[in-house]
Amino acid sequence: GAVVSQHPSRVICKSGTSVKIECRSLDFQATTMFWYRQFPKKSLMLMATSNEGSKATYEQGVEKDKFLINHASLTLSTLTVTSAHPEDSSFYICSARGWTGEKLFFGSGTQLSVL
Amino acid sequence: KQEVTQIPAALSVPEGENLVLNCSFTDSAIYNLQWFRQDPGKGLTSLLLIQSSQREQTSGRLNASLDKSSGRSTLYIAASQPGDSATYLCAVRHNTDKLIFGTGTRLQVFP
Repeated sequence: GAVVSQHPSRVICKSGTSVKIECRSLDFQATTMFWYRQFPKKSLMLMATSNEGSKATYEQGVEKDKFLINHASLTLSTLTVTSAHPEDSSFYICSARGWTGEKLFFGSGTQLSVL
Repeated sequence: KQEVTQIPAALSVPEGENLVLNCSFTDSAIYNLQWFRQDPGKGLTSLLLIQSSQREQTSGRLNASLDKSSGRSTLYIAASQPGDSATYLCAVRHNTDKLIFGTGTRLQVFP
């Protein structure tokens, strides 16, 4: 199956710093990428949808200035958590879909801990 | 607004049992439904995808059924093994790119 690489897998940072998470499709072109957030023992909540070369579409309640998403190429999308605070601590997962695929392929996730 | 619920929330069984995990959704106008597996602290692995026109899909010991009109799907796991221990998530898609995930079932299969 298709491979989506997400990096880093774990990051610990101080409050006020910015953190960038990368999501790469390794063997297919990802026309659409999705960013999810997951709290412990909870399901995934969609944060935003990004299409290559255009601005991301954010879900209601998600601050676009805080969670900056860039999808500059067909194989890379980045999520930057700006001025992170402890309440931003969570598990972030990206997923990607290709030109004709129905299935979503997921990255391995990033555990963000903000001290 | 679509809501997806999974029952049970947690399940602990001995090895070898046949299992049924349930997923229900409130808006039956779905495009497809997908079952995923998530290991602790990891991403998701797609298990089965059922189109809205299909009734079931099978892969190895897994069988997923879909009854769109009643808003239900089941994931059947035959002859469960300790390696099946994980959280299982169902997700529905409408005619958009978005997936709406269920609440998950945490499965533990002990030897």
